[in-house]
Amino acid sequence: QKEVEQDPGPLSVPEGAIVSLNCTYSNSAFQYFMWYRQYSRKGPELLMYTYSSGNKEDGRFTAQVDKSSKYISLFIRDSQPSDSATYLCAMSLNTGGFKTIFGAGTRLFVKA
Amino acid sequence: DTEVTQTPKHLVMGMTNKKSLKCEQHMGHRAMYWYKQKAKKPPELMFVYSYEKLSINESVPSRFSPECPNSSLLNLHLHALQPEDSALYLCASSQGSEQYFGPGTRLTVT
Repeated sequence: QKEVEQDPGPLSVPEGAIVSLNCTYSNSAFQYFMWYRQYSRKGPELLMYTYSSGNKEDGRFTAQVDKSSKYISLFIRDSQPSDSATYLCAMSLNTGGFKTIFGAGTRLFVKA
Repeated sequence: DTEVTQTPKHLVMGMTNKKSLKCEQHMGHRAMYWYKQKAKKPPELMFVYSYEKLSINESVPSRFSPECPNSSLLNLHLHALQPEDSALYLCASSQGSEQYFGPGTRLTVT
């Protein structure tokens, strides 16, 4: 079993739709949870970061963490064609440096 | 400013060459990272430096040699690479756990 599971998609939605992206994890030691967006042939861009269970909102993005279920989600409201990218969940634990494990990434296509 | 810069953007090298990748950040971050990313795969952690000391080495082959000359700079020295080492090499930095990535160096080993 992988430490972090993420459906690679692809996920195709019409413009304006609400997008839901999810990851599950097996290691309860993970303390920090991130979502990154990566466009083709670019480095990952940090979208959301949280370290506690609950919701965190930033503009059209909402990150949700449920530590009891080992489940995290990213919601994108009013999706735009420019949101078409690969979305990577990531989880870290502090081992004297932050060891980060990424999910496989979900490829999202938003159709105009 | 959350910018991490990497040079070169592209690198083609033969299996007998020696080359270096460079990474720089001016955000005062205390940790710097090297990742390897193959096409359509997530980034895989290679090395972590914390306060200029190597804190994590994910069992990376010795043909990859990291170096942290100071808190702003991170190098990855490459020697005797294999074609399967061709990938996007990403550098990141962080103050806490949230990491900021550079654009990467696309490496091709011939």
